[in-house]
Amino acid sequence: QKEVEQNSGPLSVPEGAIASLNCTYSDRGSQSFFWYRQYSGKSPELIMFIYSNGDKEDGRFTAQLNKASQYVSLLIRDSQPSDSATYLCAVSGGNAGNMLTFGGGTRLMVKP
Amino acid sequence: DVKVTQSSRYLVKRTGEKVFLECVQDMDHENMFWYRQDPGLGLRLIYFSYDVKMKEKGDIPEGYSVSREKKERFSLILESASTNQTSMYLCASGLYRGTDTQYFGPGTRLTVL
Repeated sequence: QKEVEQNSGPLSVPEGAIASLNCTYSDRGSQSFFWYRQYSGKSPELIMFIYSNGDKEDGRFTAQLNKASQYVSLLIRDSQPSDSATYLCAVSGGNAGNMLTFGGGTRLMVKP
Repeated sequence: DVKVTQSSRYLVKRTGEKVFLECVQDMDHENMFWYRQDPGLGLRLIYFSYDVKMKEKGDIPEGYSVSREKKERFSLILESASTNQTSMYLCASGLYRGTDTQYFGPGTRLTVL
């Protein structure tokens, strides 16, 4: 069983819509949660991190964490074609200690 | 801004060659990591280091070694390259205390013929 699960997609949304990306994790002791964006052929780029239950907003991005249900999500408001990329969820803490455990990523396509 | 650089963007080597991949970070981070990324397999940790001259095996260390002689530099070594080591190699660095955030270099796409 994978420790961090993401739907591989592609998730297709029209320009201007809200894109919702989800991630579940198996280690209940996990403490830190990260979202990275990766364009094709490029390296992952940190978008945001979240440590506490609830929502954290940064511009058009909102991360949501629910530790009881063991899921973390990323909402992208007013999606743009430039948001088309693979989004990686990563988790640390618990059994992994300081190490990041990555999900397989969700490919997002924003259609003009 | 954190800057992590890798010595090559693209590299082509022959089977059996010794390959060195270099990574340098300029933010005085204690932690440095080497990953490989393959389609369908995601990011897999090869080795990491918490300090100079310190190294720890990740999930897939076989066929690789590392060296960290200076805090800012972390090298990945393929002792005898094989075709199944054709991959995208990503270096990352991060602080040890207070946050587990990792910052990635641009990556090296290695092809072993």
